[in-house]
Amino acid sequence: GENVEQHPSTLSVQEGDSAVIKCTYSDSASNYFPWYKQELGKGSQLIIDIRSNVGEKKDQRIAVTLNKTAKHFSLHITETQPEDSAVYFCAAIPPGGKLIFGQGTELSVKP
Amino acid sequence: GAGVSQSPRYKVAKRGQDVALRCDPISGHVSLFWYQQALGQGPEFLTYFQNEAQLDKSGLPSDRFFAERPEGSVSTLKIQRTQQEDSAVYLCASSTTGRRDYGYTFGSGTRLTVV
Repeated sequence: GENVEQHPSTLSVQEGDSAVIKCTYSDSASNYFPWYKQELGKGSQLIIDIRSNVGEKKDQRIAVTLNKTAKHFSLHITETQPEDSAVYFCAAIPPGGKLIFGQGTELSVKP
Repeated sequence: GAGVSQSPRYKVAKRGQDVALRCDPISGHVSLFWYQQALGQGPEFLTYFQNEAQLDKSGLPSDRFFAERPEGSVSTLKIQRTQQEDSAVYLCASSTTGRRDYGYTFGSGTRLTVV
């Protein structure tokens, strides 16, 4: 079955800097890769997703890149702000399968 | 409603007690999922409904766990004879489509503590 590894587990950046979180997956048939932001009391919010027929997707300060050959995908946050501080989870799903999450990255943006 | 609503937000149960966790998905959402998230870990799949049909329950850790969605809207996750290892945040998510490879909307979760 699918297995998702996420790194780093914690990440601290200065406000305005960029943050990058990386994930690898094992099942080459996986075709959908969402990223979730989890904040206390707010649940898990889908922030961006990408499908296997696309190499990169951008939404304002957030971008996701996918390398199908290497089976890894990354979340890029530019011009970080204190409100970006949260736990971020990557996930992968094979066709007809279930969402498999990474272990999470706790991002801390220092003002 | 505007989002996925879960209740209660917090639940403390004595070991051996039965608990019931409720999920109100977004109105009209076909798919509903339950996940279990242990402290410091990513969510792990428990079960999946498409309307009222439970199509996948492969993630339920034991026969003490039972989920239902009788009318294809509200869902209840029941845990019988709770044990300490059941302590976790239980997340519910719903999706507008019957596809599993599509964006889910998660609720805020129910934090269960078994003492």
